[in-house]
Amino acid sequence: TQLLEQSPQFLSIQEGENLTVYCNSSSVFSSLQWYRQEPGEGPVLLVTVVTGGEVKKLKRLTFQFGDARKDSSLHITAAQPGDTGLYLCAGIKNRDDKIIFGKGTRLHILP
Amino acid sequence: DTEVTQTPKHLVMGMTNKKSLKCEQHMGHRAMYWYKQKAKKPPELMFVYSYEKLSINESVPSRFSPECPNSSLLNLHLHALQPEDSALYLCASSQVVGRGSYEQYFGPGTRLTVT
Repeated sequence: TQLLEQSPQFLSIQEGENLTVYCNSSSVFSSLQWYRQEPGEGPVLLVTVVTGGEVKKLKRLTFQFGDARKDSSLHITAAQPGDTGLYLCAGIKNRDDKIIFGKGTRLHILP
Repeated sequence: DTEVTQTPKHLVMGMTNKKSLKCEQHMGHRAMYWYKQKAKKPPELMFVYSYEKLSINESVPSRFSPECPNSSLLNLHLHALQPEDSALYLCASSQVVGRGSYEQYFGPGTRLTVT
């Protein structure tokens, strides 16, 4: 059973377009992280959200945690080729030591 | 300093070899992790160390043997691996384990090829 479902799995768009990536679950998470990973490298932490309804911005990236803390979204404005990569959401449930990863969204921005 | 370092970056080993992967962090984190990542898949948790003690072993075969010599170092000893063990091995650390809200910092990984 995949606890965190990411969609879309793949996305290829033109530079300058906007996009949204989703991370959904039927479970409640105490916090959720978004990571970006380039081929052959480790995931790099982008943001952590902990409060239901929380919105965080990182330059052109906007992250939102759902009110019920079951889902999250990542919105990129005016995508650039440097945004290309694998975007992973990862959640931590309340009484669990383990972080749970989604399968990732592979994003390709065309110049 | 939010850096986790891993050595070597690449490793090619035969099925009868013994090798070790190394991971180091100087952020004062008390939790360290080993993950295995196959191509185009998310990282899969292997081991969790909390305060230098093994707290989670995700049913990993005994040919993988973790070791945490001190709070800054984490090793993964490899012996008699199989070709299907070829993958990117990632080390990560976080402040603590099990508080419900923590961030993991990943190293760049070791690309392992078993021939």
